[in-house]
Amino acid sequence: EAGVAQSPRYKIIEKRQSVAFWCNPISGHATLYWYQQILGQGPKLLIQFQNNGVVDDSQLPKDRFSAERLKGVDSTLKIQPAKLEDSAVYLCASSLLLAGTDTQYFGPGTRLTVL
Amino acid sequence: AQSVSQHNHHVILSEAASLELGCNYSYGGTVNLFWYVQYPGQHLQLLLKYFSGDPLVKGIKGFEAEFIKSKFSFNLRKPSVQWSDTAEYFCAVNAGYNQGGKLIFGQGTELSVKP
Repeated sequence: EAGVAQSPRYKIIEKRQSVAFWCNPISGHATLYWYQQILGQGPKLLIQFQNNGVVDDSQLPKDRFSAERLKGVDSTLKIQPAKLEDSAVYLCASSLLLAGTDTQYFGPGTRLTVL
Repeated sequence: AQSVSQHNHHVILSEAASLELGCNYSYGGTVNLFWYVQYPGQHLQLLLKYFSGDPLVKGIKGFEAEFIKSKFSFNLRKPSVQWSDTAEYFCAVNAGYNQGGKLIFGQGTELSVKP
């Protein structure tokens, strides 16, 4: 079974530039999550989707971050414009159901460096 | 606000030593509890989880964790560590039936096992 795919794996940009990350979840998984992991901290949820609908985006900085999952499969997370404090690993995860007991499967992450 | 606290940032052990990593959470209602592990160069993956039943749960690779509701704790244990257990360990909590799959992570504990 293929895992969660993410690209790119690494990205270096200057502040005020824009960047986009892509995620393809495990086939058949209805729920998709984007997390931000700053160095030395645990992952923090940014947004979760159930199929193509947003379930929770309460921690997404909406003035600069946006995310979509148009066909209920893969997803894109965008930052525009980037700030220095956005330097982090962006993790995508998926789960079969939207249930608190369900296991989330994580991708390898995209490491973003903002200069 | 809900939070998860892991007591140790970095633990160094010799092979065959016993391991206990602490995890405490702040939420008074029903919780689902997880331990995830990230081996060097690999994705986050599930070690074990608890959502009901026997508070002592067993996971992969000889790990176990005990849920103590009165102490809001979910400590991870292994009787005898191996060099291959060197990794970063994250405790995570899903709090409440209306949280969907949202996980709140602790800051992680880095475990180094000396051969």
